[in-house]
Amino acid sequence: NAGVMQNPRHLVRRRGQEARLRCSPMKGHSHVYWYRQLPEEGLKFMVYLQKENIIDESGMPKERFSAEFPKEGPSILRIQQVVRGDSAAYFCASSARQGAYEQYFGPGTRLTVT
Amino acid sequence: DQQVKQNSPSLSVQEGRISILNCDYTNSMFDYFLWYKKYPAEGPTFLISISSIKDKNEDGRFTVFLNKSAKHLSLHIVPSQPGDSAVYFCAALTDSWGKLQFGAGTQVVVTP
Repeated sequence: NAGVMQNPRHLVRRRGQEARLRCSPMKGHSHVYWYRQLPEEGLKFMVYLQKENIIDESGMPKERFSAEFPKEGPSILRIQQVVRGDSAAYFCASSARQGAYEQYFGPGTRLTVT
Repeated sequence: DQQVKQNSPSLSVQEGRISILNCDYTNSMFDYFLWYKKYPAEGPTFLISISSIKDKNEDGRFTVFLNKSAKHLSLHIVPSQPGDSAVYFCAALTDSWGKLQFGAGTQVVVTP
């Protein structure tokens, strides 16, 4: 019973490059949440997606960030023209139903912008 | 706007003793709270939760207490074990979509 998968685990990008982070939810889960953890801080909600739909993107910066969860394949968090302040750990979580109280988290992708 | 606060960044406790982690929240509309445990280089793992209709929930060595009037909850771990050394996050469910708001975390170190 595979858990939530995220790849890559570590990603290094130079300023101005693009970063693509992937999240495969647990089997049978169709709800995906993305969170970001800056150093010494807690996780902060970014976006909530269901298959082919963005439900709530209130925590995502308006520029350079986008997310998708296609009918087939993993959810993707895309950051264009990365800046040093984007360096963080990005976690995705999945749940079996909307508003599920228990979300299962992946191991995270640690993005470093040089 | 940090509505969930964990004011103790770290806690050191002897093996076998009780660990008490505290969490405060400011939004009285929050009605469901969760604790997550996180090891380095791993994602958070769900530990225990509590609904606002209760004031206590227990699961093995872990007990969560909720004081709604004080907008305060606490996690008790007894007895503490070396494997409990981790960062513990308090989180509140903020809407019907399942969006969680997390505290900054408390690093627990259990010493022999």
